[in-house]
Amino acid sequence: KQEVTQIPAALSVPEGENLVLNCSFTDSAIYNLQWFRQDPGKGLTSLLLIQSSQREQTSGRLNASLDKSSGRSTLYIAASQPGDSATYLCAVRDGQNFVFGPGTRLSVLP
Amino acid sequence: GAGVSQTPSNKVTEKGKYVELRCDPISGHTALYWYRQSLGQGPEFLIYFQGTGAADDSGLPNDRFFAVRPEGSVSTLKIQRTERGDSAVYLCASSPGSNEQFFGPGTRLTVL
Repeated sequence: KQEVTQIPAALSVPEGENLVLNCSFTDSAIYNLQWFRQDPGKGLTSLLLIQSSQREQTSGRLNASLDKSSGRSTLYIAASQPGDSATYLCAVRDGQNFVFGPGTRLSVLP
Repeated sequence: GAGVSQTPSNKVTEKGKYVELRCDPISGHTALYWYRQSLGQGPEFLIYFQGTGAADDSGLPNDRFFAVRPEGSVSTLKIQRTERGDSAVYLCASSPGSNEQFFGPGTRLTVL
């Protein structure tokens, strides 16, 4: 059974710092991996989707990498801003459905 | 264009009652997913539709939970004889295939 973990569970950084969020999965036979952002009391907003054949994807200040063989993905956020404060979740597509990690709660302090 | 919408946004019910939660996916999206999210946790898969049929319902916790999508668009998640442990945010997502998912805002269900 696929299991997804995320480290750290919570992170607090001053504005302007670059930071890395980690996602690990136990079964490397995935179709893709997706990073989401969730604001308190809201639904999930898709940030980046990486297909299993890809190594990384970039969107603005965000860069996500995928190392399928080792079961790891990282989300890199450059020059963090207070507006980046949210919970970040990764999800792997495993067969028909998606398995989510528990998320990393990020606070960027002004 | 319009995103995924869910109604109601909040639902408070009493233990033992029946509830229905509705999801309107993005027009043209063939895949639809239901998830349940408890506080501090990631979404937990419940059921996946491809068109009108439930392609995977392995995440439904028991037979009190049922979901339909009769015309391949709107879906309804139905919970019978609700229990306090059913309290959670129920999220719906749609996808043009089985790839990138687009989520609705969720329905917060509270069972008293």
